[in-house]
Amino acid sequence: GDSVTQMEGPVTLSEEAFLTINCTYTATGYPSLFWYVQYPGEGLQLLLKATKADDKGSNKGFEATYRKETTSFHLEKGSVQVSDSAVYFCALIPMDTGRRALTFGSGTRLQVQP
Amino acid sequence: NAGVTQTPKFRVLKTGQSMTLLCAQDMNHEYMYWYRQDPGMGLRLIHYSVGEGTTAKGEVPDGYNVSRLKKQNFLLGLESAAPSQTSVYFCASRPRVDRWANQPQHFGDGTRLSIL
Repeated sequence: GDSVTQMEGPVTLSEEAFLTINCTYTATGYPSLFWYVQYPGEGLQLLLKATKADDKGSNKGFEATYRKETTSFHLEKGSVQVSDSAVYFCALIPMDTGRRALTFGSGTRLQVQP
Repeated sequence: NAGVTQTPKFRVLKTGQSMTLLCAQDMNHEYMYWYRQDPGMGLRLIHYSVGEGTTAKGEVPDGYNVSRLKKQNFLLGLESAAPSQTSVYFCASRPRVDRWANQPQHFGDGTRLSIL
Protein backbone atom coordinates (compact mmCIF):
# COMPACT_ATOMS: atom_id res chain seq x y z
CA GLY A 1 0.00 0.00 0.00
CA ASP A 2 0.87 3.66 -0.08
CA SER A 3 3.14 5.01 2.62
CA VAL A 4 5.18 8.03 3.60
CA THR A 5 8.41 7.96 5.60
CA GLN A 6 9.79 11.04 7.35
CA MET A 7 12.93 11.59 9.32
CA GLU A 8 12.42 11.26 13.03
CA GLY A 9 12.59 14.30 15.23
CA PRO A 10 12.81 16.39 17.08
CA VAL A 11 14.98 18.59 14.90
CA THR A 12 16.54 21.39 16.94
CA LEU A 13 18.06 24.35 15.13
CA SER A 14 19.25 27.81 15.96
CA GLU A 15 17.50 30.76 14.39
CA GLU A 16 18.66 31.48 10.81
CA ALA A 17 19.95 27.93 10.32
CA PHE A 18 19.20 25.91 7.18
CA LEU A 19 16.44 23.34 7.46
CA THR A 20 15.97 20.04 5.67
CA ILE A 21 13.30 17.52 6.62
CA ASN A 22 13.51 14.36 4.56
CA CYS A 23 10.42 12.67 3.14
CA THR A 24 10.19 9.63 0.87
CA TYR A 25 7.10 7.87 -0.35
CA THR A 26 5.83 4.62 -1.77
CA ALA A 27 2.86 4.77 -4.11
CA THR A 28 1.70 3.52 -7.47
CA GLY A 29 1.46 5.98 -10.30
CA TYR A 30 1.88 9.67 -9.70
CA PRO A 31 0.52 10.78 -6.34
CA SER A 32 0.09 14.39 -5.35
CA LEU A 33 2.45 15.38 -2.55
CA PHE A 34 1.91 17.79 0.34
CA TRP A 35 3.55 19.29 3.38
CA TYR A 36 1.27 20.23 6.26
CA VAL A 37 2.27 22.14 9.39
CA GLN A 38 0.72 21.85 12.83
CA TYR A 39 1.34 24.58 15.38
CA PRO A 40 0.80 23.76 19.06
CA GLY A 41 -2.86 23.26 19.92
CA GLU A 42 -4.03 23.77 16.36
CA GLY A 43 -5.16 21.73 13.39
CA LEU A 44 -3.14 21.06 10.27
CA GLN A 45 -2.52 23.76 7.72
CA LEU A 46 -1.38 23.20 4.17
CA LEU A 47 2.15 24.51 3.73
CA LEU A 48 2.85 23.57 0.11
CA LYS A 49 2.05 20.99 -2.54
CA ALA A 50 3.23 19.49 -5.83
CA THR A 51 1.24 17.43 -8.28
CA LYS A 52 3.74 16.07 -10.82
CA ALA A 53 7.38 15.20 -11.22
CA ASP A 54 9.85 18.10 -10.95
CA ASP A 55 7.18 20.46 -9.63
CA LYS A 56 8.43 22.72 -6.86
CA GLY A 57 6.02 23.78 -4.16
CA SER A 58 6.88 26.88 -2.15
CA ASN A 59 5.33 29.00 0.58
CA LYS A 60 6.58 31.24 3.41
CA GLY A 61 10.21 30.55 2.47
CA PHE A 62 9.74 26.77 2.50
CA GLU A 63 10.34 24.72 -0.64
CA ALA A 64 10.01 21.09 -1.72
CA THR A 65 10.61 19.47 -5.11
CA TYR A 66 8.73 16.40 -6.35
CA ARG A 67 11.47 13.91 -7.28
CA LYS A 68 9.98 10.92 -9.07
CA GLU A 69 13.33 9.18 -9.60
CA THR A 70 14.10 9.13 -5.86
CA THR A 71 10.44 9.12 -4.70
CA SER A 72 11.22 12.04 -2.42
CA PHE A 73 9.73 15.38 -1.40
CA HIS A 74 12.20 16.92 1.03
CA LEU A 75 11.23 20.14 2.80
CA GLU A 76 13.81 22.94 2.93
CA LYS A 77 14.09 26.46 4.25
CA GLY A 78 17.12 28.65 4.00
CA SER A 79 16.75 30.51 7.31
CA VAL A 80 14.40 29.30 10.02
CA GLN A 81 12.75 31.50 12.62
CA VAL A 82 11.50 30.75 16.12
CA SER A 83 7.96 31.07 14.74
CA ASP A 84 8.63 28.05 12.49
CA SER A 85 8.63 25.76 15.53
CA ALA A 86 5.90 23.23 14.83
CA VAL A 87 5.28 19.66 13.68
CA TYR A 88 5.63 19.10 9.93
CA PHE A 89 3.82 16.30 8.11
CA CYS A 90 4.59 14.97 4.67
CA ALA A 91 1.56 13.42 2.96
CA LEU A 92 0.32 12.09 -0.36
CA ILE A 93 -2.94 11.51 -2.20
CA PRO A 94 -2.84 8.66 -4.72
CA MET A 95 -4.23 9.43 -8.15
CA ASP A 96 -6.08 6.16 -8.46
CA THR A 97 -8.46 6.33 -5.49
CA GLY A 98 -11.79 8.06 -5.48
CA ARG A 99 -11.71 8.96 -1.81
CA ARG A 100 -8.82 11.39 -2.18
CA ALA A 101 -7.77 10.82 1.41
CA LEU A 102 -4.33 11.82 2.67
CA THR A 103 -1.73 9.26 3.70
CA PHE A 104 0.55 10.91 6.28
CA GLY A 105 4.06 10.40 7.49
CA SER A 106 4.61 10.25 11.23
CA GLY A 107 5.52 13.92 11.51
CA THR A 108 8.74 15.73 12.40
CA ARG A 109 8.87 18.17 15.28
CA LEU A 110 11.00 21.25 14.63
CA GLN A 111 12.28 23.34 17.51
CA VAL A 112 14.01 26.62 16.65
CA GLN A 113 15.98 28.27 19.41
CA PRO A 114 16.71 32.02 19.51
CA ASN B 1 -14.68 32.42 8.10
CA ALA B 2 -15.52 29.44 10.29
CA GLY B 3 -14.17 26.75 7.92
CA VAL B 4 -14.24 23.41 9.74
CA THR B 5 -15.53 23.43 13.31
CA GLN B 6 -15.23 20.52 15.68
CA THR B 7 -17.11 20.08 18.93
CA PRO B 8 -16.27 19.41 21.67
CA LYS B 9 -12.61 20.41 21.94
CA PHE B 10 -11.90 18.21 24.95
CA ARG B 11 -13.67 15.29 26.53
CA VAL B 12 -12.93 12.67 29.16
CA LEU B 13 -14.91 9.43 29.09
CA LYS B 14 -15.01 6.29 31.13
CA THR B 15 -14.54 2.93 29.46
CA GLY B 16 -17.82 1.73 27.98
CA GLN B 17 -19.43 5.14 27.64
CA SER B 18 -20.60 6.41 24.29
CA MET B 19 -20.31 9.80 22.68
CA THR B 20 -20.56 11.64 19.37
CA LEU B 21 -18.06 14.09 17.90
CA LEU B 22 -19.48 16.70 15.58
CA CYS B 23 -17.79 18.19 12.56
CA ALA B 24 -19.38 21.08 10.68
CA GLN B 25 -18.07 22.82 7.57
CA ASP B 26 -19.43 25.91 5.87
CA MET B 27 -17.53 25.66 2.57
CA ASN B 28 -20.07 23.46 0.75
CA HIS B 29 -17.47 20.70 0.44
CA GLU B 30 -18.56 17.27 -0.75
CA TYR B 31 -15.79 15.20 0.84
CA MET B 32 -15.36 14.90 4.58
CA TYR B 33 -12.94 12.83 6.66
CA TRP B 34 -12.26 11.74 10.20
CA TYR B 35 -8.64 11.06 11.24
CA ARG B 36 -7.05 10.16 14.53
CA GLN B 37 -3.62 11.39 15.55
CA ASP B 38 -1.45 9.32 17.86
CA PRO B 39 2.13 10.02 18.96
CA GLY B 40 4.69 8.90 16.41
CA MET B 41 2.06 7.66 13.96
CA GLY B 42 0.90 10.71 12.08
CA LEU B 43 -2.78 10.86 11.19
CA ARG B 44 -4.75 7.77 10.21
CA LEU B 45 -8.04 7.72 8.35
CA ILE B 46 -11.00 6.36 10.33
CA HIS B 47 -13.97 6.96 8.01
CA TYR B 48 -14.79 9.27 5.16
CA SER B 49 -17.71 10.50 3.10
CA VAL B 50 -17.85 11.55 -0.54
CA GLY B 51 -21.26 13.15 -0.25
CA GLU B 52 -24.43 13.54 1.75
CA GLY B 53 -25.85 10.18 2.78
CA THR B 54 -22.67 8.22 1.96
CA THR B 55 -19.93 6.92 4.24
CA ALA B 56 -17.06 4.47 3.90
CA LYS B 57 -14.36 2.88 6.03
CA GLY B 58 -10.79 4.07 6.19
CA GLU B 59 -7.75 2.30 7.63
CA VAL B 60 -8.81 2.14 11.29
CA PRO B 61 -12.64 2.01 11.44
CA ASP B 62 -13.15 -0.53 14.22
CA GLY B 63 -15.06 0.81 17.21
CA TYR B 64 -16.35 3.87 15.34
CA ASN B 65 -19.47 4.72 13.37
CA VAL B 66 -20.23 7.77 11.27
CA SER B 67 -23.18 9.52 9.68
CA ARG B 68 -23.55 12.23 7.03
CA LEU B 69 -27.23 13.15 7.09
CA LYS B 70 -26.52 16.73 6.04
CA LYS B 71 -23.86 17.86 3.62
CA GLN B 72 -22.29 20.23 6.11
CA ASN B 73 -22.10 17.81 9.04
CA PHE B 74 -20.10 14.64 9.62
CA LEU B 75 -20.59 12.85 12.93
CA LEU B 76 -18.19 10.36 14.50
CA GLY B 77 -19.61 8.03 17.14
CA LEU B 78 -17.95 5.84 19.72
CA GLU B 79 -20.43 3.18 20.78
CA SER B 80 -18.45 1.77 23.70
CA ALA B 81 -15.30 3.76 24.40
CA ALA B 82 -12.04 1.91 25.06
CA PRO B 83 -8.71 3.25 26.37
CA SER B 84 -7.17 2.48 22.96
CA GLN B 85 -9.38 5.20 21.51
CA THR B 86 -7.63 7.88 23.54
CA SER B 87 -6.39 10.17 20.82
CA VAL B 88 -6.75 13.52 19.11
CA TYR B 89 -9.44 13.42 16.43
CA PHE B 90 -9.35 15.66 13.38
CA CYS B 91 -12.04 16.32 10.87
CA ALA B 92 -11.26 17.58 7.37
CA SER B 93 -13.16 18.53 4.24
CA ARG B 94 -12.40 19.21 0.59
CA PRO B 95 -14.27 19.96 -2.62
CA ARG B 96 -15.05 17.20 -5.12
CA VAL B 97 -13.85 18.74 -8.37
CA ASP B 98 -10.21 17.86 -8.55
CA ARG B 99 -8.69 16.25 -11.61
CA TRP B 100 -5.19 16.19 -10.20
CA ALA B 101 -6.05 15.29 -6.61
CA ASN B 102 -4.29 18.43 -5.47
CA GLN B 103 -7.02 20.32 -3.67
CA PRO B 104 -6.01 20.74 -0.04
CA GLN B 105 -8.03 19.34 2.78
CA HIS B 106 -9.18 21.88 5.36
CA PHE B 107 -8.77 20.71 8.92
CA GLY B 108 -10.55 21.52 12.13
CA ASP B 109 -8.64 22.26 15.33
CA GLY B 110 -9.18 18.77 16.71
CA THR B 111 -10.92 17.07 19.62
CA ARG B 112 -8.75 15.72 22.40
CA LEU B 113 -10.43 12.61 23.80
CA SER B 114 -9.27 10.67 26.85
CA ILE B 115 -10.77 7.31 27.82
CA LEU B 116 -10.15 6.25 31.40
